[in-house]
Amino acid sequence: DAKTTQPPSMDCAEGRAANLPCNHSTISGNEYVYWYRQIHSQGPQYIIHGLKNNETNEMASLIITEDRKSSTLILPHATLRDTAVYYCIVRGPYNNAGNMLTFGGGTRLMVKP
Amino acid sequence: EADIYQTPRYLVIGTGKKITLECSQTMGHDKMYWYQQDPGMELHLIHYSYGVNSTEKGDLSSESTVSRIRTEHFPLTLESARPSHTSQYLCASSGTGTGVGNTIYFGEGSWLTVV
Repeated sequence: DAKTTQPPSMDCAEGRAANLPCNHSTISGNEYVYWYRQIHSQGPQYIIHGLKNNETNEMASLIITEDRKSSTLILPHATLRDTAVYYCIVRGPYNNAGNMLTFGGGTRLMVKP
Repeated sequence: EADIYQTPRYLVIGTGKKITLECSQTMGHDKMYWYQQDPGMELHLIHYSYGVNSTEKGDLSSESTVSRIRTEHFPLTLESARPSHTSQYLCASSGTGTGVGNTIYFGEGSWLTVV
C-alpha cells in the first residue's frame, strides 16, 4: 500500500469548515483513498472513500486531485464532537494479505468553540 | 453504522489469568481482523481471517490466538495474561468485492488492563 503524509495536528473553529490534507504521491492506479477517524478511546469510524472522483456523504466530502497524488477531507461545519484523530489511508481494491488497512499517525483535529 | 460488537469493553485481570475477548458481527462479512493499539499510538494488525477455519497472523507479533468457527464470531484469547498485554484491542470486519464492499468497519474496542 502507498504511504500517506498528514500534518500531525490542526485546529478549527466550531461551525467553520475543516479541511484536512493528505499526500499520497506514490498511489497506484487501483488504490482507493479511505478516511477514518478515531475519537478518544473508541474504535476507528469509517468516514468516506474514493478512487478518482470527488465524493460526498452525510459526514464529509472528499476531494481528490486530478493526478491523485493528494486529497482533502472536508468537514463542512465542524462541531466540538468532530475533535478526533483523522487517518488517511490508501489501499488496493481487495481484502487480501497485500491490502490490509495500515494506520499511520493521522491528524489530530481540535475543534475549538 | 457498522454492526460489530465487542465484549467486554473494559476488563482488569490478574497476571496469569486466561482471557477471551469476544467479537461478533451481524453483517455477514467474510473477513475479520484484530488490531492492537496502545494509548496514543498507532493501530497494528495482529490477526485476520478470510472466513471460517481461516486465521492468519498480522504484522505485529502477538502472544494471543484466534479462532473462526462461525462466520459471525472471531474471539481472541490470551492463555496467560501479562502486564505487557495491557492495551486496547479492536475487532473489525469487511465484506467482499471492491469499493464499498472493501470497507473495513470497527467495533468499539476492548480495553484490557493486566495487573
